[in-house]
Amino acid sequence: ETGVTQTPRHLVMGMTNKKSLKCEQHLGHNAMYWYKQSAKKPLELMFVYNFKEQTENNSVPSRFSPECPNSSHLFLHLHTLQPEDSALYLCASSRKIFGSPLHFGNGTRLTVT
Amino acid sequence: KNEVEQSPQNLTAQEGEFITINCSYSVGISALHWLQQHPGGGIVSLFMLSSGKKKHGRLIATINIQEKHSSLHITASHPRDSAVYICAVRTSGGSNYKLTFGKGTLLTVNP
Repeated sequence: ETGVTQTPRHLVMGMTNKKSLKCEQHLGHNAMYWYKQSAKKPLELMFVYNFKEQTENNSVPSRFSPECPNSSHLFLHLHTLQPEDSALYLCASSRKIFGSPLHFGNGTRLTVT
Repeated sequence: KNEVEQSPQNLTAQEGEFITINCSYSVGISALHWLQQHPGGGIVSLFMLSSGKKKHGRLIATINIQEKHSSLHITASHPRDSAVYICAVRTSGGSNYKLTFGKGTLLTVNP
């Protein structure tokens, strides 16, 4: 148990669907992150939030839309995805933005059909 | 060429063996992380270090800043150590936000 909970664990969606991924942490951390992990590739940073403010958008297509209503919750809204977006999406948090160890959730395995 | 290179990509060992996984990087860094990812996806942070050596149980991580190299050692390896081990560096300067990840080393420890 890492203290970071992601739901759902698995998601299959069509290219015209709209879905959301949820991440929750009650570790008192101030920074939260979305990462994408594709097969055979390193983890890719997508978004960073620090004290609920987005500080990084790593050239992510607009079909991915993050939302951070408070420092404990982070969402990733998905719409009109492409099959190449199929991947493991990992949420992480840390006490200080990149200045302390990351705590990861178990990820959401997304398949776009 | 990736800024963070890990070797080997795959490693198979027998239970009890001493394991070494290497990480080399080509940029200036302020910290280096070692992470462990089990099948199913969850990632656990093992170490964050910026100099010297850290030890936790059977795991030891070392870093040589001058040589831009870090190693992760596992003593008395066990099948439950089977996982992907990922090295990540926090680059110094600039936004200081970025972690750059290696592709990971898949370790399989057989009983």
